[in-house]
Amino acid sequence: EVQLVQSGAVVKKPGESLKISCQVSGYIFRNHWIGWVRQVPGKGLEWMGIIFPGDSDTRYNESFKGQVTISADKSISTAFLHWGSLRASDTAMYFCARRPLTTDKRTGREFDFWGQGTLVTVSA
Amino acid sequence: IHLTQSPSSLSASVGDRVTITCRASQADATALAWYQQKPGKAPRLLIYDASNLESGVSSRFSGRASGTLFTLSINSLQPEDFATYYCQDFSNYALIFGGGTKVEMK
Repeated sequence: EVQLVQSGAVVKKPGESLKISCQVSGYIFRNHWIGWVRQVPGKGLEWMGIIFPGDSDTRYNESFKGQVTISADKSISTAFLHWGSLRASDTAMYFCARRPLTTDKRTGREFDFWGQGTLVTVSA
Repeated sequence: IHLTQSPSSLSASVGDRVTITCRASQADATALAWYQQKPGKAPRLLIYDASNLESGVSSRFSGRASGTLFTLSINSLQPEDFATYYCQDFSNYALIFGGGTKVEMK
């Protein structure tokens, strides 16, 4: 059974650093792109970026480039989202999600499995 | 790519047929997906590649494509279908989401 389990909710102050995690099981971690999606309370979904753990190829939404860092550790089947300096505007729910493999029957350009979400609150 | 999803909200009753549309700004959009999200939960994939039903999803849900216009239909709306729905397209590694449609009980 495919599972993506995210780290728990956190409360941080502006200027602090933070790394949240997404540990996967039930599939070969290095073979699937895994991405991060932000959802500000009451708002829609925003794609932040994506990493291919097999070779650490990473792509970012231009809106988030330089604001966050996406990484992955194959030895523990875990993806990470890191902020060096948080802002109040980073307050949101963050989801990790997996892209399926591309086959002759499927382009794999969607997210088929999602983590449960990590709520990040940034407040002085 | 920009996605225009409509309506932003709608009211419906159990048993109704509901249709949500998503218009892509580029003609080569083909890998459109649809998700359902309930409050406090992660999105759930319903449809991929415009018209393919994800495994385990009720056949009440269906997707169609006509040029740059994509539709998600829900036949015979059930109580568990009241939620927010998002379309999503793909371009150069980026996943682009529509603004969402909240389906509320009339």
